[in-house]
Amino acid sequence: EAGVTQFPSHSVIEKGQTVTLRCDPISGHDNLYWYRRVMGKEIKFLLHFVKESKQDESGMPNNRFLAERTGGTYSTLKVQPAELEDSGVYFCASSSFPQGAMNEQFFGPGTRLTVL
Amino acid sequence: AQTVTQSQPEMSVQEAETVTLSCTYDTSESDYYLFWYKQPPSRQMILVIRQEAYKQQNATENRFSVNFQKAAKSFSLKISDSQLGDAAMYFCAYRSVRAAGNKLTFGGGTRVLVKP
Repeated sequence: EAGVTQFPSHSVIEKGQTVTLRCDPISGHDNLYWYRRVMGKEIKFLLHFVKESKQDESGMPNNRFLAERTGGTYSTLKVQPAELEDSGVYFCASSSFPQGAMNEQFFGPGTRLTVL
Repeated sequence: AQTVTQSQPEMSVQEAETVTLSCTYDTSESDYYLFWYKQPPSRQMILVIRQEAYKQQNATENRFSVNFQKAAKSFSLKISDSQLGDAAMYFCAYRSVRAAGNKLTFGGGTRVLVKP
């Protein structure tokens, strides 16, 4: 079974540009999460999809970030325009069980974003 | 809001010896889950061990065990008979049972170095 995949693995862009990160969850996983780790700090939650619906987007830092999950399969996270403080590693995770279960979230390898 | 603290940025252990990683958390909830995740260099995060707060018995997974002290809000990870493959970043994480969604709250991580 393929794990969670993320593309690209690295992205280097200039301030003001746009970047789109992609996450492909494990097939059949309804839950999809985005997290990020900025400047070696804690990994922070960004948002949670259940199928194509946003269940919780309380962690999204501002309106420069837009996440979508069309058709409930893969997800994209767009940053527009990118700022220096957006640099970090963006992780995607997926899980199969409903809320309340001690389900395991399976993580992708992350996308390292560098904004110059 | 819940917080998770890992006070040791880096720990070093001799191969075949034991190392203990500390994790403390702050919550007003009585029911929750705790996790330890491992992220090897340039690889994705994987779940090492998990604990349900209502269970008094400490979880164990082969060479990995936890010391869960609910009253003290402490959740340390012990790695016994350390192997070179244990070298990685280790993240402690908390998840609420009741809160909407299944988002994880992470600590800052502890880097484990294993000396041959």
